[in-house]
Amino acid sequence: DGGITQSPKYLFRKEGQNVTLSCEQNLNHDAMYWYRQDPGQGLRLIYYSQIVNDFQKGDIAEGYSVSREKKESFPLTVTSAQKNPTAFYLCASSGVAEDTQYFGPGTRLTVL
Amino acid sequence: DAKTTQPPSMDCAEGRAANLPCNHSTISGNEYVYWYRQIHSQGPQYIIHGLKNNETNEMASLIITEDRKSSTLILPHATLRDTAVYYCIVRAYFKAAGNKLTFGGGTRVLVKP
Repeated sequence: DGGITQSPKYLFRKEGQNVTLSCEQNLNHDAMYWYRQDPGQGLRLIYYSQIVNDFQKGDIAEGYSVSREKKESFPLTVTSAQKNPTAFYLCASSGVAEDTQYFGPGTRLTVL
Repeated sequence: DAKTTQPPSMDCAEGRAANLPCNHSTISGNEYVYWYRQIHSQGPQYIIHGLKNNETNEMASLIITEDRKSSTLILPHATLRDTAVYYCIVRAYFKAAGNKLTFGGGTRVLVKP
């Protein structure tokens, strides 16, 4: 069953702690993306990767870091430098950068 | 990417067709019209996309006007599970690096029994 998985669905952390959000896809897609969504708002691009071992900053990369060591995986770390980390985080992938993007179910992060 | 304008909300009766309009008067020749929907607290779901011809798949139909300045997404037989926010997005296929999707306000569709 092909798709994109994100875990966990809900995540709670104390302020000042780093936290890593998981994103895995078995669609054999080259490109992967991380977006952030705040209540009642649209999506904002954090980071994207068009190929393994390469990634670029999106519009709001400050306070976040990523890695792309495997084609299937694109984890996002929310660092303590991110001023307002509480949000809904969405991972997406596409065959190549130009293609249709498909989204995972999302992880809702709450920093207490 | 061209800006889109959608009504903020609309209601639809279960079993009836839902017609969702979208204006994109500044669309360029190489820009596609994409539709996604987002059910509460879930990730956006791709519905359909098109360039200038009408398109149909198992979920919906997309009607694009001849001048490409507007389009309509048609859900042929709305069910309660179609209640969601629907986003119309215009994006160039051969976009420069970044390829982000720009979600506007969308249309909040409520399907009523």
